[in-house]
Amino acid sequence: QVQLQESGPGLVKPSETLSLTCAVSGYSISSGYYWGWIRQPPGKGLEWIGSIYHSGSTYYNPSLKSRVTISVDTSKNQFSLKLSSVTAADTAVHYCARHTSGYDFLDYWGQGTLVTVSS
Amino acid sequence: QSVLTQPPSVSAAPGQKVTISCSGSSSNIGSNYVSWYQQLPGTAPKLLIYENNKRPSGIPDRFSGSKSGTSATLGITGLQTGDEADYYCGTWDSSLSAVVFGGGTKLTVL
Repeated sequence: QVQLQESGPGLVKPSETLSLTCAVSGYSISSGYYWGWIRQPPGKGLEWIGSIYHSGSTYYNPSLKSRVTISVDTSKNQFSLKLSSVTAADTAVHYCARHTSGYDFLDYWGQGTLVTVSS
Repeated sequence: QSVLTQPPSVSAAPGQKVTISCSGSSSNIGSNYVSWYQQLPGTAPKLLIYENNKRPSGIPDRFSGSKSGTSATLGITGLQTGDEADYYCGTWDSSLSAVVFGGGTKLTVL
């Protein structure tokens, strides 16, 4: 069974960088699929942030592209998200998920982690 | 403002059927596959439907998906109180080069 688990600070100061990691178990990232990040502001809908392939190939939501970096560490079977210059508008539950690119569905999700941007 | 348009809420009685619509354009639903997700209160989204009308293993056949032109529909039959959740449609938008979602529909089982 594929499982994903997000981890990282729950509180980030404005203008700083949000950093999260997603540990994958039950499936080797090197075996394929894209791996993505999705966020959900409190009480609002879902927003795709970006996805990465095990080779390191990435694609990002154009609305966030200038601030986002997603990286992968196949030796640890995990991938990470960095979002720079955060503001209160970036406060959200962040989910990691397995992404079938081309058909564009997300079939396995982590439980999510709330990141609050506040001084 | 979401790229895909869903009704904010729908409701129906237990045992009845409900449909949730998802409207888009030629650059998203009109030319790409649609998926649907169920988000129970306080939990992560769960994949219900992929490639317009396919169900992952373990999803009951009470849930169905269809697509016509630039719109998609999720159908749920034999409603149960446990189906109360937010439902989201999603697809790829070829113009935006992004995965996009609808704003979500809250299902109430009266």
